[in-house]
Amino acid sequence: QQQVKQSPQSLIVQKGGISIINCAYENTAFDYFPWYQQFPGKGPALLIAIRPDVSEKKEGRFTISFNKSAKQFSLHIMDSQPGDSATYFCAASNTGKLIFGQGTTLQVKP
Amino acid sequence: DGGITQSPKYLFRKEGQNVTLSCEQNLNHDAMYWYRQDPGQGLRLIYYSQIVNDFQKGDIAEGYSVSREKKESFPLTVTSAQKNPTAFYLCASSRSRSTEAFFGQGTRLTVV
Repeated sequence: QQQVKQSPQSLIVQKGGISIINCAYENTAFDYFPWYQQFPGKGPALLIAIRPDVSEKKEGRFTISFNKSAKQFSLHIMDSQPGDSATYFCAASNTGKLIFGQGTTLQVKP
Repeated sequence: DGGITQSPKYLFRKEGQNVTLSCEQNLNHDAMYWYRQDPGQGLRLIYYSQIVNDFQKGDIAEGYSVSREKKESFPLTVTSAQKNPTAFYLCASSRSRSTEAFFGQGTRLTVV
């Protein structure tokens, strides 16, 4: 019940394309859903986050779509750039401790 | 600059030795966390602390110990009981539950 399942494990997108990463959860008590971006050898950095009272949140080229009934949420990266190449983690929380997905390695080809 | 400082960045340990990883934050956050990251895996929670002098085990606490004597400090000790300690260790802090967590730059521990 505490798991967060993330897919795909890896993703290759052409420059200018849309990158989509999906996550699913079981625990309906989760009330905070962040996405983190991590570059090699660095700590993760918060990209965007959503709470279950909204279905979508957009910040620049990054959008979270949230489907409460399906217990799923996804990250969309519009106009993907080579600089977006990194590992992306979804997470969920209701007690403060974050439960992370397995991660998606994104490669954006020039 | 506000943030989380982890030290050292790289650490080598001989088998059978205990080693302590440092984590300091000047964000005035109440909660602090330790995660372990292995290649191809997500971040797994080792220990967390919501308040000074109190901490709870995470999903993989065996072979690790922590202390929280000061709000700004949350050191992690990797003991000789940890069977596979080679990993990337990440410390994080947050203001309160279900709010943004800030991560340090990590410590890469290698057992030689």
